[in-house]
Amino acid sequence: GAVVSQHPSRVICKSGTSVKIECRSLDFQATTMFWYRQFPKQSLMLMATSNEGSKATYEQGVEKDKFLINHASLTLSTLTVTSAHPEDSSFYICSAKGASGLYEQYFGPGTRLTVT
Amino acid sequence: GIQVEQSPPDLILQEGANSTLRCNFSDSVNNLQWFHQNPWGQLINLFYIPSGTKQNGRLSATTVATERYSLLYISSSQTTDSGVYFCAVEQGAGTDKLIFGTGTRLQVFP
Repeated sequence: GAVVSQHPSRVICKSGTSVKIECRSLDFQATTMFWYRQFPKQSLMLMATSNEGSKATYEQGVEKDKFLINHASLTLSTLTVTSAHPEDSSFYICSAKGASGLYEQYFGPGTRLTVT
Repeated sequence: GIQVEQSPPDLILQEGANSTLRCNFSDSVNNLQWFHQNPWGQLINLFYIPSGTKQNGRLSATTVATERYSLLYISSSQTTDSGVYFCAVEQGAGTDKLIFGTGTRLQVFP
């Protein structure tokens, strides 16, 4: 099956700093990538959708200046949490969907962000 | 927007037992997927099942799109089945966005 990786798997940063999370599709070209956020014991909430070469589309209530998304190639999308605060601490998960004919989304292993 | 509710929210089983998890959605959908989130957070694709019935080993799933529900069956449960099971739906052609259900937390004890 399709494999999606995320890096780092776990990061601790100080309040006010920025953190970049990478999401890569390893064995397929991802025309669309998605970023989700998950709080403890809750479901996944979609944050934004990114298509290669175009600006990301953010869900209502998600600050685009705080969560910068770049989808520079068909195998890489990045999420940068700018000026992180403790309330940004969460589990961030990316997913990727390939070209037509690949109907499923495949998920990365997630990144646990802790802001101190 | 579409609402996706799963039941039961929590399920505790002894190894070897069978179970049925349900996913109800409030509007018509183009895509429905079932996932297992393991204790480390990784989501594992179980089924892509917008309609009909599929089976994979001890797991099977049925979606009745006209009645807006899907069922996931787990037979002869094992401790490794523990984790959270999510259904997720894609509403509207071309949106690609998955809306996740509320989840069912399954614990299987030996």
